[in-house]
Amino acid sequence: AQTVTQSQPEMSVQEAETVTLSCTYDTSENNYYLFWYKQPPSRQMILVIRQEAYKQQNATENRFSVNFQKAAKSFSLKISDSQLGDTAMYFCASSYSGGGADGLTFGKGTHLIIQP
Amino acid sequence: DTGVSQNPRHKITKRGQNVTFRCDPISEHNRLYWYRQTLGQGPEFLTYFQNEAQLEKSRLLSDRFSAERPKGSFSTLEIQRTEQGDSAMYLCASSSVTKSTDTQYFGPGTRLTVL
Repeated sequence: AQTVTQSQPEMSVQEAETVTLSCTYDTSENNYYLFWYKQPPSRQMILVIRQEAYKQQNATENRFSVNFQKAAKSFSLKISDSQLGDTAMYFCASSYSGGGADGLTFGKGTHLIIQP
Repeated sequence: DTGVSQNPRHKITKRGQNVTFRCDPISEHNRLYWYRQTLGQGPEFLTYFQNEAQLEKSRLLSDRFSAERPKGSFSTLEIQRTEQGDSAMYLCASSSVTKSTDTQYFGPGTRLTVL
């Protein structure tokens, strides 16, 4: 079984600052995928970024990047130049190979608030 | 690409009643997932279809829950004899096994309240 832990229930930063959300996971699989999803107040889940465990290079998507530490089973999300629209719940998730043959395992989420 | 849609968006029912939710995935997606999300928690996996075949079911899916995807397109999730503990947001997601990323795209959810 996989487990995902997000230890920060809530974070608050000023607009334009950089913020890092933490995530640790546990899995016995060698081939797995990690994801960060964003759930704004309207509650539709949106994929922010994904990382294949076999890739050493950290994934980046515009202002969003990850720090993937495979040995430490850590997968943090960095948001640069934060914007008011980044305010949302952020969920870290994992899956076995392919991200499709089974369901995603989610953490409890971090509520990120961007202050003007 | 119109995204994943779910109906109804909200459902209020009395304990003991049956309810049914519908999910319409992105048209070319052959995989469909159901999750349940309670307040303050992340979504929990319930079940998964590839085309019309239900390939995986979580132990969270009690006998009162049944899901179908009869023609490999839309899916329904039925809860029989609802209990107050069934109150939650029910999320549907879809993905395509033919695409290398196989990312799951989520619908807006159906919020169920059992009185």
